[in-house]
Order: sequence, then structure tokens, then C-alpha cells
Amino acid sequence: DSGVTQTPKHLITATGQRVTLRCSPRSGDLSVYWYQQSLDQGLQFLIHYYNGEERAKGNILERFSAQQFPDLHSELNLSSLELGDSALYFCASSADSEINIQYFGAGTRLSVL
Amino acid sequence: AQSVTQPDIHITVSEGASLELRCNYSYGATPYLFWYVQSPGQGLQLLLKYFSGDTLVQGIKGFEAEFKRSQSSFNLRKPSVHWSDAAEYFCAVGARGYQKVTFGIGTKLQVIP
Repeated sequence: DSGVTQTPKHLITATGQRVTLRCSPRSGDLSVYWYQQSLDQGLQFLIHYYNGEERAKGNILERFSAQQFPDLHSELNLSSLELGDSALYFCASSADSEINIQYFGAGTRLSVL
Repeated sequence: AQSVTQPDIHITVSEGASLELRCNYSYGATPYLFWYVQSPGQGLQLLLKYFSGDTLVQGIKGFEAEFKRSQSSFNLRKPSVHWSDAAEYFCAVGARGYQKVTFGIGTKLQVIP
């Protein structure tokens, strides 16, 4: 168990809808990262938050947004969903250090029908 | 920009045989290097990491990796593969003080009896 909790484990929804994925980092970790994993794209970095502030953006679509709350949990919001958004979404957390060891949650599997 | 290449998408080995998974990285300074493993339906788990010092690093589950600066490589090895090692393996590169970690596309390992 990595200590990173993601909910829900599975999500099935329709095109055009909006969903929210939730991540609770390991106790004490200030950084949260979001990744998308699909068969054709591999593991793609989406966004990084540190102590409530956005630190880095990767290949994140404008339809997607994220935030990190004062209790350090994070949410990834996906809107106007398309079939191609079907993927595994992972959250990872790391402590505030120069050595960036990321601990991953079990992921949320999103199916857009 | 940092990048990681895992040239082998799929590898099949017999149980009990030795294993080497290749990883090449591109980064201007001394990198931080990681190997993660992802079992089916699971998140990524850290196998081992290299930051500095001894270029041969030991990890969990009997894995080791060797950092070779001259070849920009960080290959993962195991002397005798077990059926439970069947999974996807990701090499990743990071940098001191910079929070982004770049993942390779992954190598799927199949273990046959």
C-alpha cells in the first residue's frame, strides 16, 4: 500500500459529461501529480500541485482542470468528455525534497461510452 | 529537456532465466533515475532509484540496476525471473530540485513456464 488513495476506482460515464477524480496524498506529502495512462499514449504527465499551488503543467487539455485543497487532497475535473478520454488516471504524491520519489495511487479507470 | 527511451515494448523470458530491461536517458546534468513496476490493475510501485554514489543499485524483489554515464543508460536486471515478475516496467528520469519526472513508455514483461 503506497498510502495514496484515489477514488473512485472505476467510473463509467457518457460523452459530454463531467466527472471529478479525487486523490488523497500520503500523510505529510505536499506535492500531488496527475497522470493519464492510455494504451496508445503511455503514461502522460498532466499537472503538478505543491501545497495548493500549481507548479507544472504537462499535456493537460483545456477541458481538464485540477486543484489542491488546504488539506492537501486534490481533485481532477474532466469536462465535455470524449471517447478518447477513456484511460487510467493516476495520482502520485511526493514529499517536499530535492529528491522526487513519487508514490502512486491505484488509479481511477474512466470509461466514456 | 529530459527524456527516456525504453527500446523494448515487449519482452518474453522463461521462468528462471535472467532478465535485462534497457533504459536510455537524455539529460544535461546528473540525473535522478528510477525504475517502477506496474502489475495489472495496479498503480506504479518504486523498484529502485539512483541519485549518486555507487552506480550499481539494489532494489526490491531481487532487482538491480546499473547507472552508466558514458552510455546514458540505466538498465534493470534480475538474475532469475519468477512468474510473479510479469508486469510492466517503467524507467524514469528526474533532476535535483526540479519536480518533474519523465517516464519512459514502459516495457511489458511476459514470463513463460
